[in-house]
Amino acid sequence: GESVGLHLPTLSVQEGDNSIINCAYSNSASDYFIWYKQESGKGPQFIIDIRSNMDKRQGQRVTVLLNKTVKHLSLQIAATQPGDSAVYFCAEVSGSNYKLTFGKGTLLTVNP
Amino acid sequence: NAGVTQTPKFRVLKTGQSMTLLCAQDMNHEYMYWYRQDPGMGLRLIHYSVGEGTTAKGEVPDGYNVSRLKKQNFLLGLESAAPSQTSVYFCASSPFGSSVKNIQYFGAGTRLSVL
Repeated sequence: GESVGLHLPTLSVQEGDNSIINCAYSNSASDYFIWYKQESGKGPQFIIDIRSNMDKRQGQRVTVLLNKTVKHLSLQIAATQPGDSAVYFCAEVSGSNYKLTFGKGTLLTVNP
Repeated sequence: NAGVTQTPKFRVLKTGQSMTLLCAQDMNHEYMYWYRQDPGMGLRLIHYSVGEGTTAKGEVPDGYNVSRLKKQNFLLGLESAAPSQTSVYFCASSPFGSSVKNIQYFGAGTRLSVL
């Protein structure tokens, strides 16, 4: 069935390093994918998205890579800062445009 | 820029009590959603609405009811609260249309404890 999973539940990095958060998905019919950031006590915040017909998309300090061959999605954060500490969720959108399937999240901790 | 506003932020109920969570959005979005978030479970869709006057069941609808009488508001009701409904509840909204992306924007959440 449909599933969105994350390889690592926790990730700890040093300030200034690059972070890579991974996500696997199983529904090859997904239209696009979204990364959300959730800080403690707050709601998920949209970071970046990528359509299924793209391989890469860049934002400010973030890059999302999509590998449809192995159904893998990653979020790269350049020069990670303490303010990047949060739980990161990937979500896939498929079929009717209301349905968002979330993964369980990866906790990113940035050490000063 | 209010975006999506949820009230209340915190609530403690006794088993069997009822309550209503209110979600309001000022972005003129057609779609609205209610999720619950439990530790290790991610976000699960309870109910959603594709427009004023419409509602539909999501992944975990049992024990909840919703209403969308106005486009900007989406209410989540618990008629008889149970301890299993202790969770953090998030409301979200998104635009609709072939020329826009279904990016969902979330409120800050309501933390509910049922004793």
